[in-house]
Amino acid sequence: SQKIEQNSEALNIQEGKTATLTCNYTNYSPAYLQWYRQDPGRGPVFLLLIRENEKEKRKERLKVTFDTTLKQSLFHITASQPADSATYLCALLLTGGGNKLTFGTGTQLKVEL
Amino acid sequence: NAGVTQTPKFQVLKTGQSMTLQCAQDMNHEYMSWYRQDPGMGLRLIHYSVGAGITDQGEVPNGYNVSRSTTEDFPLRLLSAAPSQTSVYFCASSQRDRVKYGYTFGSGTRLTVV
Repeated sequence: SQKIEQNSEALNIQEGKTATLTCNYTNYSPAYLQWYRQDPGRGPVFLLLIRENEKEKRKERLKVTFDTTLKQSLFHITASQPADSATYLCALLLTGGGNKLTFGTGTQLKVEL
Repeated sequence: NAGVTQTPKFQVLKTGQSMTLQCAQDMNHEYMSWYRQDPGMGLRLIHYSVGAGITDQGEVPNGYNVSRSTTEDFPLRLLSAAPSQTSVYFCASSQRDRVKYGYTFGSGTRLTVV
């Protein structure tokens, strides 16, 4: 069966450190992988997209890697701040699947002072 | 720009009642979709539309209807509410051929069926 797995346990890190979140998938061949941020009581907000032929993408303090051999994406936040505390969702968009995104369950990140 | 607007924000229904969740976007996005979000289940696609007059089923369509008569609006109808439909519902839109911009989500409707 098709699965997208994100660590369900919350990730607690200290301010200033790099947070690394993992997204693993099975039985998918995604054309794109996207990362979203979701705050409590709010809708997800799009952060970054990476294509299947890209290894790495950066945007300010964010970095995403995409390894289609390992079927894994890593999401890094460098110099983390308490304001980065949120749930982060990865989502796969399949080739030929229109714009249908399939989401993982998300990982909660807590950045402590 | 208002983005994606969902109404109502909260709703309590009795089992068997019907209602419509409203979704409107002002970005001229062709693609619109409805998701539900439940604890431990993530976001699951209910229905989607690639343009006015075109709709299709997602992963969990049973008990829900949609229509898309205009580019701006994509209402979700619950035909006969059941407690299993208690959830948070999100509407999202995107530009169909420009996925690099991601989806824009509304702020959600929290529905409780008693």
